[in-house]
Amino acid sequence: EAEVAQSPRYKITEKSQAVAFWCDPISGHATLYWYRQILGQGPELLVQFQDESVVDDSQLPKDRFSAERLKGVDSTLKIQPAELGDSAMYLCASTSGNNEQFFGPGTRLTVL
Amino acid sequence: DAKTTQPTSMDCAEGRAANLPCNHSTISGNEYVYWYRQIHSQGPQYIIHGLKNNETNEMASLIITEDRKSSTLILPHATLRDTAVYYCIANYFSGGYQKVTFGTGTKLQVIP
Repeated sequence: EAEVAQSPRYKITEKSQAVAFWCDPISGHATLYWYRQILGQGPELLVQFQDESVVDDSQLPKDRFSAERLKGVDSTLKIQPAELGDSAMYLCASTSGNNEQFFGPGTRLTVL
Repeated sequence: DAKTTQPTSMDCAEGRAANLPCNHSTISGNEYVYWYRQIHSQGPQYIIHGLKNNETNEMASLIITEDRKSSTLILPHATLRDTAVYYCIANYFSGGYQKVTFGTGTKLQVIP
């Protein structure tokens, strides 16, 4: 069964450093999402792509976060510089049309 | 986007039916009710969705009230592996895109 791939699974960094997360959605899925999940809370949408275009980044802290999906396939989420409050699980999901979202295993970020 | 309200936590005896309620009193006519669950440290997993009619699949049943202001997810024979956080979501579709807002969900504990 096809799955959404994410790497790394875990990342520990010091504040003010740059970090990057990678996501490879299920083949053929045009819509890709990045979520942030703080411990004890539900996932919060950061950015949504339709193919290579951003369709919603209203909750993305653009002063430090950036996301790209250059060829409309895999995607990278970057944080620069990382802050202590960025410690969270970063989830990637993809979907095809008006169907359910398939989530990856997530990247757990710890900022020291 | 409609907000959903769920109890923070519930317990269920193993082998019994787990009935998880969700209130979505402001749901609009074109918003679907989706349920996902998240087992500890994993990405959310799709369970079931519906618009007006009750739905059943191999995992669960979804009962939606006639006025669509609330719904209940039913796990007919809960097992220990069903221990997870369950999210009820009003899923808004527009122009081929879907907009999903997760709440804090219900933490279901299945007890032996």
